[in-house]
Amino acid sequence: NAGVMQNPRHLVRRRGQEARLRCSPMKGHSHVYWYRQLPEEGLKFMVYLQKENIIDESGMPKERFSAEFPKEGPSILRIQQVVRGDSAAYFCASSPSHPDPRNEKLFFGSGTQLSVL
Amino acid sequence: TQLLEQSPQFLSIQEGENLTVYCNSSSVFSSLQWYRQEPGEGPVLLVTVVTGGEVKKLKRLTFQFGDARKDSSLHITAAQPGDTGLYLCAGPSGGSYIPTFGRGTSLIVHP
Repeated sequence: NAGVMQNPRHLVRRRGQEARLRCSPMKGHSHVYWYRQLPEEGLKFMVYLQKENIIDESGMPKERFSAEFPKEGPSILRIQQVVRGDSAAYFCASSPSHPDPRNEKLFFGSGTQLSVL
Repeated sequence: TQLLEQSPQFLSIQEGENLTVYCNSSSVFSSLQWYRQEPGEGPVLLVTVVTGGEVKKLKRLTFQFGDARKDSSLHITAAQPGDTGLYLCAGPSGGSYIPTFGRGTSLIVHP
């Protein structure tokens, strides 16, 4: 299966712990997006990365959240000192090229459900 | 930020019925996309509409982009239980190319 792979599917953390969410884009895709989904709020954009570069992080909280997409390996969304409000489904999507609103195709992974106790 | 308002929020119908869901904005979009998301999975792209007035068909699903490119609709003919899911519209936000999503319409089709 050459789709977008996210792991883990479910992650349980206690308040104050760190959460690391991984995303391997589709083969040949060099652009990664992270979204957070809450039932009442829908999908909210967090960050857009290319290999080794953060292109747009306007949707990501300034504190405790960080993202990377190294030259080798998956993209990582890291949440430090988690709080209960961080509980949500986190989705990663990838695309093959520079985003073009007329032709953009985002391929989503199955998400990571983060639960903070 | 250009907001996308979707209606209705919830829809519960019987198999065989027709339905239409809407995606509206006060802003003009260069394109709009429709996705379907099933429980526990990520959204899957159904279609992209680009030209004002454009109509695209995908089997029993008909997508229309408004003439002014501010709204879009999705019509499903003879709905089936397999159509159950969350239907999301998305479009590039402001000067960015990054898709912004509406909150979605949750559709349940009962056998």
